[in-house]
Amino acid sequence: AQSVTQLDSHVSVSEGTPVLLRCNYSSSYSPSLFWYVQHPNKGLQLLLKYTSAATLVKGINGFEAEFKKSETSFHLTKPSAHMSDAAEYFCVLDSSYKLIFGSGTRLLVRP
Amino acid sequence: DAGVIQSPRHEVTEMGQEVTLRCKPISGHNSLFWYRQTMMRGLELLIYFNNNVPIDDSGMPEDRFSAKMPNASFSTLKIQPSEPRDSAVYFCASSPQGSQGNQPQHFGDGTRLSIL
Repeated sequence: AQSVTQLDSHVSVSEGTPVLLRCNYSSSYSPSLFWYVQHPNKGLQLLLKYTSAATLVKGINGFEAEFKKSETSFHLTKPSAHMSDAAEYFCVLDSSYKLIFGSGTRLLVRP
Repeated sequence: DAGVIQSPRHEVTEMGQEVTLRCKPISGHNSLFWYRQTMMRGLELLIYFNNNVPIDDSGMPEDRFSAKMPNASFSTLKIQPSEPRDSAVYFCASSPQGSQGNQPQHFGDGTRLSIL
């Protein structure tokens, strides 16, 4: 069975400090994985995608994620948080046309 | 470039009324998806169209829900009659090539529906 687990429902960081949002997946074949961000009252915006090319994927707004097959992980990181990064983040597994969503991690950024 | 456009952004109506949500996908995208987002259940896929044809409607809750895609640039999701438990945010998304070939889906800003 395919699934996605986001390990933290909330993460709180101070502005200017690193961000780490954790995601583990389960898939019987080589997965395609995405990270999306959702700001209040907005739709989901694609941050980055992994499709079996490079294991370190760079996305928009300074975010990046590393695909680790041995750990079945796809954690999202950013070196320095901005106030504008406060939002909900979804790790997503692409299963043909169906997207399998993690439960989301709400990122809080303290001034 | 224009993204996925949904209307209305907000809808408040009384139970029993018919509700119609509208979506214009990104030009050139031939796959369209309707999702529902609630606090309790997160994001759920309701229906998937490819080249205007419904491919998977297994997520449609019940017969009160129906969706159409009369052409490549327009889709509707209709609820008749509406019930308070239908209150949610409804998203439309589109993608090129049916999301096969690892093409991501692009989401609209959603319709926030409240049924009183």
